[in-house]
Amino acid sequence: GDSVTQMEGPVTLSEEAFLTINCTYTATGYPSLFWYVQYPGEGLQLLLKATKADDKGSNKGFEATYRKETTSFHLEKGSVQVSDSAVYFCAPNNAGNMLTFGGGTRLMVKP
Amino acid sequence: DTGVSQNPRHKITKRGQNVTFRCDPISEHNRLYWYRQTLGQGPEFLTYFQNEAQLEKSRLLSDRFSAERPKGSFSTLEIQRTEQGDSAMYLCASSQRTGGSTEAFFGQGTRLTVV
Repeated sequence: GDSVTQMEGPVTLSEEAFLTINCTYTATGYPSLFWYVQYPGEGLQLLLKATKADDKGSNKGFEATYRKETTSFHLEKGSVQVSDSAVYFCAPNNAGNMLTFGGGTRLMVKP
Repeated sequence: DTGVSQNPRHKITKRGQNVTFRCDPISEHNRLYWYRQTLGQGPEFLTYFQNEAQLEKSRLLSDRFSAERPKGSFSTLEIQRTEQGDSAMYLCASSQRTGGSTEAFFGQGTRLTVV
């Protein structure tokens, strides 16, 4: 079945620092790829997605590019804010049946 | 509010009791998913429905767990004879399956504590 490997957290950054959260996946076929974000005590919110190779998903300053050759979907942001502090989950979705989540990466941004 | 709604938000129960959670998906969404999330972990898939049909169940869904979606709208997840290991956040999501990528929208979850 599908699986996801994310970098372990917590990732602690100062405000305005550059962020990268690595994600690699294994999946059959050509899954769609998603990043979800979870704020404390909340459910998951879709952050961005990419549906085919070389697609770039972007939202709220975050970006991730679907790299089929390296089966990766790394999340980046040029300048993080305190409000970005949350847990980030990478997830492939094959045939729209269900999402497979990694363990998540906690981001802590200090002022 | 047209998002996914879950009730209750929190549930504390004694070991051995039965509990039932409800999920109201986004209207018109034909797919509904249940996930379980323990502290510090990512959500784990439990089961999903397309309309009223339960199409897939994870091995995590023991015999004590049952899910229904009787009219293809809201869904319930029941846990019988709860155990302390059932303590977790139970997340519901819905999506509209139209082919290709399907974006799932999550509710805020029901946090279950078994004492």
